Amino acid sequence: GENVEQHPSTLSVQEGDSAVIKCTYSDSASNYFPWYKQELGKRPQLIIDIRSNVGEKKDQRIAVTLNKTAKHFSLHITETQPEDSAVYFCAASKLGTSYDKVIFGPGTSLSVIP
Amino acid sequence: GAVVSQHPSWVICKSGTSVKIECRSLDFQATTMFWYRQFPKQSLMLMATSNEGSKATYEQGVEKDKFLINHASLTLSTLTVTSAHPEDSSFYICRAAVMSEQYFGPGTRLTVT
Repeated sequence: GENVEQHPSTLSVQEGDSAVIKCTYSDSASNYFPWYKQELGKRPQLIIDIRSNVGEKKDQRIAVTLNKTAKHFSLHITETQPEDSAVYFCAASKLGTSYDKVIFGPGTSLSVIP
Repeated sequence: GAVVSQHPSWVICKSGTSVKIECRSLDFQATTMFWYRQFPKQSLMLMATSNEGSKATYEQGVEKDKFLINHASLTLSTLTVTSAHPEDSSFYICRAAVMSEQYFGPGTRLTVT
C-alpha cells in the first residue's frame, strides 16, 4: 500500500520567513496530493491540493510543487505569520472515486516566532 | 462547503464499556465513510472504510470485532468501540466522501478511564 513520509517533523521559523515541508510517496499510481493544517484539538483543514497532471500550484502565500518522477511533493509558505503555527500533514491518494483512501504523512509541527 | 457532524464531540467512559460515535453528513449523501484515529502528536491513521449497505473494510492491524462500523444510510455511519481500554483513548475522526469530494467531521475525543 501507499506510504507517505514527511520532513521535517518540527520546524521553527521567524515571522516573515519562508517555510518548506517535503514529502515523498511510494505508490506511483497516486494522483492527488492534498495538504492539511490541523490546529490543536480540531479537525484537519484542507489548505491546498495538487493533482498529478500539474507540477506547481499557488494560492496566495501557499504553494505546492510536485515531482512525479521522483515521487516528491513540497509545501511552501512564504511571509509566515504567527497564525500559520500548526501541524501540517501531507497526504496521497488515488483520486477518482469515493472509495479512495487518503494516506497521511506523519506531520510537521510548524512554529512561527513573532 | 459540505457539513459533516460527529456526536459526541467528547466522551469519557470506564474500561470495559462500549462507546458509539456517530458521523453524519448533513447536506449531502456520502457513498463512503472513512474512520481515522489520531493519538496525541501523531498522524491520522486510517482504521476502516465503509460503504453504505455493505461491510466495512478494515486496515491491517485494526480489530474488526473491537471497532464495529455500521453505515446504514448515505448520511450516517457509526463507530462502536467495544470493551474499551485506556489504550483506546484517542481522537476519532470520520471523513465523508462522495466521488472526488471529501469532508472531515470535527472529531470525537474518547477518554477511557
